[in-house]
Amino acid sequence: EAQVTQNPRYLITVTGKKLTVTCSQNMNHEYMSWYRQDPGLGLRQIYYSMNVEVTDKGDVPEGYKVSRKEKRNFPLILESPSPNQTSLYFCATATVNRVRSYNEQFFGPGTRLTVL
Amino acid sequence: RKEVEQDPGPFNVPEGATVAFNCTYSNSASQSFFWYRQDCRKEPKLLMSVYSSGNEDGRFTAQLNRASQYISLLIRDSKLSDSATYLCVVNLGSGNTGKLIFGQGTTLQVKP
Repeated sequence: EAQVTQNPRYLITVTGKKLTVTCSQNMNHEYMSWYRQDPGLGLRQIYYSMNVEVTDKGDVPEGYKVSRKEKRNFPLILESPSPNQTSLYFCATATVNRVRSYNEQFFGPGTRLTVL
Repeated sequence: RKEVEQDPGPFNVPEGATVAFNCTYSNSASQSFFWYRQDCRKEPKLLMSVYSSGNEDGRFTAQLNRASQYISLLIRDSKLSDSATYLCVVNLGSGNTGKLIFGQGTTLQVKP
């Protein structure tokens, strides 16, 4: 079954304690992306990756890191989480077409993070 | 001005009604446009892509107006199951092909 998985689904942590949210896909998609969703602000892109070893900043990259060492995984790292990073996080994947724009995105189920 | 703007609603309509949402975007270089549906803080799912010539999928019609920089979604014969938040998504072109901007969503509530 084609899917995007995220772990953990729920996490409560404290300020400053490094954490990683994993994202994995089995669809062999080139493109992967992380978003955060906050009430009144909608979904905002944090980082994206067009392929292995290629990552770029989205709209709100501050306080986050990513890596794309292999095609199927795109972890999101919070080196020193702060309360303003409390949010609902989604990972998404997509294929990239010949004109280098992407097609339908498939989203993971989301990770609800609370930073105290 | 936000890069992608939607009226958050909520739009409250009776079953069977026709309802339309608009979404405006500010970057004229934008190349790809989509409507996604999101149910109650679950993951967004693609409803339909929006093509220059307009496209239809059953009760749903999407249109693009490049001159005025907006896209629209028309839902005919609304069902209770159409109640959700509809997200407008714009892919910036011209070298930013991976950057996506989401509107904040329009909430639709279809009532019996």
